[in-house]
Amino acid sequence: GIQVEQSPPDLILQEGANSTLRCNFSDSVNNLQWFHQNPWGQLINLFYIPSGTKQNGRLSATTVATERYSLLYISSSQTTDSGVYFCAALLYGNNRLAFGKGNQVVVIP
Amino acid sequence: DTGVSQDPRHKITKRGQNVTFRCDPISEHNRLYWYRQTLGQGPEFLTYFQNEAQLEKSRLLSDRFSAERPKGSFSTLEIQRTEQGDSAMYLCASSYSGAAGRGYNEQFFGPGTRLTVL
Repeated sequence: GIQVEQSPPDLILQEGANSTLRCNFSDSVNNLQWFHQNPWGQLINLFYIPSGTKQNGRLSATTVATERYSLLYISSSQTTDSGVYFCAALLYGNNRLAFGKGNQVVVIP
Repeated sequence: DTGVSQDPRHKITKRGQNVTFRCDPISEHNRLYWYRQTLGQGPEFLTYFQNEAQLEKSRLLSDRFSAERPKGSFSTLEIQRTEQGDSAMYLCASSYSGAAGRGYNEQFFGPGTRLTVL
């Protein structure tokens, strides 16, 4: 099946700093989603982005499908941005999301 | 839109007992998925339904696990003769597989059921 790798695995940020999280995937995808998992375990949808660029407030994401990677940008980070960010990909003709191991982000005040 | 709901949120059981979890998807979603997440890992796919039909099962879903979606609405996941290795967060997701386009098959997750097997 498809392999999804996220980097860096752990990131500590000072409040106000910017950061970039990367997701590499091993095959062509029909769907690419970014999630934020809150401390209670809930996965919050951030972006549905099989290709192109999207922005939502201080977050933006870019997927370059032909090069099999996606980036999540966090600007002017806040302590509420802390948590685990997951990238998940769906192969063409498939229905199971394949998740990476996540990026653990800690934003310190 | 009330989102995906799961019940219970937490379950503690003794090894060998049976447990059942429930998932209510977003109302207009015809696809429903179950995933399992262990500590420090991303969620792993278990099974999925389109309407009431169970169309795919992962090899992670041993014969002690059974899932149903009897009327194409809510779903249940039962684990029989629980083992300590079953301790995990069980996540349910739903999506709409209508016409391809923006948000096609975007999956939305519930809050999860955290299972602890003693």
